[in-house]
Amino acid sequence: EVQLVESGGGLVQPGGSLRLSCAASGLTFSTYWIHWVRQTPGKGLVWVSRINNDESSRSYADSVKGRFTITRDNAKNTVYLQLNSLRAEDTGVYYCARAGYSSAWSYFEYWGQGTLVTVSS
Amino acid sequence: QSALTQPASVSGSPGQSITISCTGSSSDVGSYNLLSWYQHHPGKAPKLMIYEGSKRPSGVSNRFSGSKSGNTASLTISGLQAEDEADYYCCSYAGSSTFIFGGGTKLTVL
Repeated sequence: EVQLVESGGGLVQPGGSLRLSCAASGLTFSTYWIHWVRQTPGKGLVWVSRINNDESSRSYADSVKGRFTITRDNAKNTVYLQLNSLRAEDTGVYYCARAGYSSAWSYFEYWGQGTLVTVSS
Repeated sequence: QSALTQPASVSGSPGQSITISCTGSSSDVGSYNLLSWYQHHPGKAPKLMIYEGSKRPSGVSNRFSGSKSGNTASLTISGLQAEDEADYYCCSYAGSSTFIFGGGTKLTVL
């Protein structure tokens, strides 16, 4: 059974930093691309970032580009999201999701339960 | 880039069918057949319901179906059941290795 477990969320002041982790089990981790998606309070899901299987390709939403960095450690079956220069609008539940492949790596096949990030003074 | 447009809410009675629309542009929904749908019960992990416009993952009921015409995709749920009550999101590939979600639709089963 595929399991994704996020951790590292918490309360941080504006301008601060956090590192989120996504630990995976039940899959050949080094094969799969991984995404981060967030849900802000009262709003919907927003795609944040993704990394390919060997870390050779990464992409970011414009709203986080230059502030967030996605990395992975295939030996530890873990993906990380470094959040810097945090703003109030970054507050939300952050989910990691394993990508699915059919004709392309184009959907989110398995999701974790999420970790809450609160940016407030 | 603005979110894809979904109705804020839809409702239906048990046994009925409902359709949720998802409108984008020629830069996302209209350009790629890479549209997926997710069911989200608050407090739980989102669940993949449809991928690549109309394909159903193993284990998803055939009451769920997807389609696309031009810049608009649709999710149809037939034979509504109480457990279908949830938030539903569409998501499209938007080029340059980025993705865009819809604003979400709250489905109420009356």
